Amino acid sequence: QQQVKQSPQSLIVQKGGISIINCAYENTAFDYFPWYQQFPGKGPALLIAIRPDVSEKKEGRFTISFNKSAKQFSLHIMDSQPGDSATYFCAASKGRGSTLGRLYFGRGTQLTVWP
Amino acid sequence: DSGVTQTPKHLITATGQRVTLRCSPRSGDLSVYWYQQSLDQGLQFLIQYYNGEERAKGNILERFSAQQFPDLHSELNLSSLELGDSALYFCASSVGGGPEQYFGPGTRLTVT
Repeated sequence: QQQVKQSPQSLIVQKGGISIINCAYENTAFDYFPWYQQFPGKGPALLIAIRPDVSEKKEGRFTISFNKSAKQFSLHIMDSQPGDSATYFCAASKGRGSTLGRLYFGRGTQLTVWP
Repeated sequence: DSGVTQTPKHLITATGQRVTLRCSPRSGDLSVYWYQQSLDQGLQFLIQYYNGEERAKGNILERFSAQQFPDLHSELNLSSLELGDSALYFCASSVGGGPEQYFGPGTRLTVT
């Protein structure tokens, strides 16, 4: 059973546009929501993360929006660049503040940014 | 570069064989996680070690085992390999065992 559902599976955006990837979860025990970026042949790289006591977190061109009541969160990439073309994974964990931080991953979104 | 190292980068072996994948966590990190990435299953958690002790198990087959050594490096042992075990295997580490994890470059296992 997929604990974190991610959409869309693939996304094509023009350079300079906004890329939006959505995730939903059911388990209200989740208390940490990271996004990872993965390039072909590389490991996932931690991009940005949010905790449920905050509705939005911004780091440069990357923003996470979090809706606790809807159990949804999304990644927005502003001014998308060809170098952003990668696979993006959302994840969730209920291990914040503990030593049990396993991550539950979404299935990934393959983002292509056209120049 | 995350600071997590994994060896080997690629591994090709035959069905029925046994292999060992190695991971060195970032300096100062006490916890190591192993994940499997495949096209049909996505990224799946296998097992977690914290300061030498097993902390959590996920979708890990009985043919697979792992350990974390006193110097905190970890090894994942895969035995009686089947074609379906072909996948990317990632190791991740975190300071206190929490969810802020940094991934290594992975080992691509191909079973023929």
